Amino acid sequence: SQQGEEDPQALSIQEGENATMNCSYKTSINNLQWYRQNSGRGLVHLILIRSNEREKHSGRLRVTLDTSKKSSSLLITASRAADTASYFCATDADSNYQLIWGAGTKLIIKP
Amino acid sequence: EADIYQTPRYLVIGTGKKITLECSQTMGHDKMYWYQQDPGMELHLIHYSYGVNSTEKGDLSSESTVSRIRTEHFPLTLESARPSHTSQYLCASTPQGRGVTQYFGPGTRLLVL
Repeated sequence: SQQGEEDPQALSIQEGENATMNCSYKTSINNLQWYRQNSGRGLVHLILIRSNEREKHSGRLRVTLDTSKKSSSLLITASRAADTASYFCATDADSNYQLIWGAGTKLIIKP
Repeated sequence: EADIYQTPRYLVIGTGKKITLECSQTMGHDKMYWYQQDPGMELHLIHYSYGVNSTEKGDLSSESTVSRIRTEHFPLTLESARPSHTSQYLCASTPQGRGVTQYFGPGTRLLVL
């Protein structure tokens, strides 16, 4: 069963603008991860935030986690054309140590 | 780039054929996974393995089978391909432990005619 839900499903912005994607989940988690998938390729890990963390940065990426609302957001600042991809959140909550994936947000950066 | 490889990258095959999708990783990871993903959609776990001689079915029912005879190798087999098997298949691996990153291969795009 899918736990994560990304919002919006698709986002189109101009290069240089900031992009914000949201992820909501249903059960308690140990951590939440964000991944990027370029068209037709495998996924690449971007950032992991643990349940006791509220914010994390990595380069132009900023992730927040609100466990009381069971939600996370991914902010990409100063977007570039190369950021065009689908972005997925995944939670590590399952007792079998599996990741539970959301449906993804498709981000398009217009030059 | 992760050291995890999938072959073939693209496969077009007729209904009823037997196919094996290969996945290999050189990172010595114990856990390996197979996901099925339709274009623009979420990932569905179809098989996973905790180590050699360990295989489990995932959340999505699949007619495929897997084996794990060596740590680095986790092939997926379809005995009789059908058009409903048309999809992208992604292989991933992680080291033991909780809360660790999954490393993905580039995927195999399968089209069954």
